[in-house]
Amino acid sequence: NAGVTQTPKFRILKIGQSMTLQCTQDMNHNYMYWYRQDPGMGLKLIYYSVGAGITDKGEVPNGYNVSRSTTEDFPLRLELAAPSQTSVYFCASSSVEEPQHFGDGTRLSIL
Amino acid sequence: GQNIDQPTEMTATEGAIVQINCTYQTSGFNGLFWYQQHAGEAPTFLSYNVLDGLEEKGRFSSFLSRSKGYSYLLLKELQMKDSASYLCAVRAYNKLIFGAGTRLAVHP
Repeated sequence: NAGVTQTPKFRILKIGQSMTLQCTQDMNHNYMYWYRQDPGMGLKLIYYSVGAGITDKGEVPNGYNVSRSTTEDFPLRLELAAPSQTSVYFCASSSVEEPQHFGDGTRLSIL
Repeated sequence: GQNIDQPTEMTATEGAIVQINCTYQTSGFNGLFWYQQHAGEAPTFLSYNVLDGLEEKGRFSSFLSRSKGYSYLLLKELQMKDSASYLCAVRAYNKLIFGAGTRLAVHP
């Protein structure tokens, strides 16, 4: 059972480039989340989804977009990368009864 | 909005007991979670409280008082591998919001 899978694990972007961080879960969870974690800090919620076709903003949504076309996938898009978006990004999923399961993270540097 | 506070850093001795406190202010409260995170790794689930009282899981226990907006995580028989960050998180309106985390250093 793979759980939550994030790709890529590492990426370096130039300022102004765009990219999509992929997240897939195989636990049939309705809820999915994207967080960012800056060095020495806690997790900040970017976007979340309670089911396919439904997304909503979290604490720090500016500069990001998401979509949820299937239960399994919840990609996060950066349209115009900025140095302030250098961070570790975690995807997580859960059901109503279970706690969140986290992916291994994507370490993103923007130079 | 939501506000979650926990101490930034704590130190403890191997074999001892440590209590990490968390206070929160939120509407729509629907549960409090504790996660452990080792440096460079993803958070892993430790415990969950939705009703007042104590939940015990081996060396770890978590307590919740909803009326006081207060929780603590109790770690017993500390081991060196318990050196990590401990994240308090509050669920409300389908969202899970995290505090900044408490870095625990266990020394011999």
